[in-house]
Amino acid sequence: QVQLQESGPGLVKPSGTLSLTCAVSGGSISSSNWWNWVRQPPGKGLEWIGEIYHSGSTNYNPSLKSRVTISVDKSKNQFSLRLSSVTAADTAVYYCARDMEGRKDYWGQGTLVTVSS
Amino acid sequence: DIQMTQSPSSLSASVGDRVTITCRASQSISSYLNWYQQKPGKAPKLLIYGASSLQSGVPSRFSGSGSGTDFTLTISSLQPEDFATYFCQQSYSTLQTFGQGTKVEIK
Repeated sequence: QVQLQESGPGLVKPSGTLSLTCAVSGGSISSSNWWNWVRQPPGKGLEWIGEIYHSGSTNYNPSLKSRVTISVDKSKNQFSLRLSSVTAADTAVYYCARDMEGRKDYWGQGTLVTVSS
Repeated sequence: DIQMTQSPSSLSASVGDRVTITCRASQSISSYLNWYQQKPGKAPKLLIYGASSLQSGVPSRFSGSGSGTDFTLTISSLQPEDFATYFCQQSYSTLQTFGQGTKVEIK
C-alpha cells in the first residue's frame, strides 16, 4: 500500500518561499508514475500545481510556472515543492499525490500552509 | 485551458435516492475523465477513472459514463457515507483541470 506524507512549515511570510516535501512509502518513487502537487484554498476547489517523473522531467501549471519548482530525491524516496514570492492567495491545503495514467490514485493527507506576516 | 463545469453545484438528497452529477468539458477530452469524492478535512479519493472504470475497492453503486464533452457520475442508492463533495478531473491535456465540485447534502 503506497502512502504519501507531506511535511513543511505551516506558516510562510508574504514574498517568502513555500517549501514542502512529500515522503513516499510502500512503493518506489522510481516506478512508472508521475508525482503530483495539488492545492485547495479553504472552502474552494482543487488546483493542479505540477508533477515530476523520477527522471527529473517536470510539467507545471502555466499560471504558477514562473514561481514553482518541483524536484525529486530518489535516495530518500521523496519529492518536493518550492513556490516563491507567495501571497495570501497561495494560502491553501497542499496535497501530494501519485498519478497513474492521469488519475490520482494515492494522496497524502494534506498540509495547510498559511501565508501571513 | 480545458474548463470543467459541474452541475449542480450542490444538491440535497435522501438515503436511498439515485443521484446524478454532470461534468462538461469545454472541448472534447475523449474518455480522459476521473471522479473523486472528498469529505471534510480529508484528501480526495478516486472513485472512477477513464470515465467509466470503477477504482478498486469502490462500491458498485458508483458508476460513470460519457465521452467527448459530457460525463455523468451516478450513485444508484445514496448511503449515509456518500454525503460529500464530488469533483471531476480531466487528464486529456498536460494542464490537468478539475471541476468546481458538487456538494451532496442530506435532505
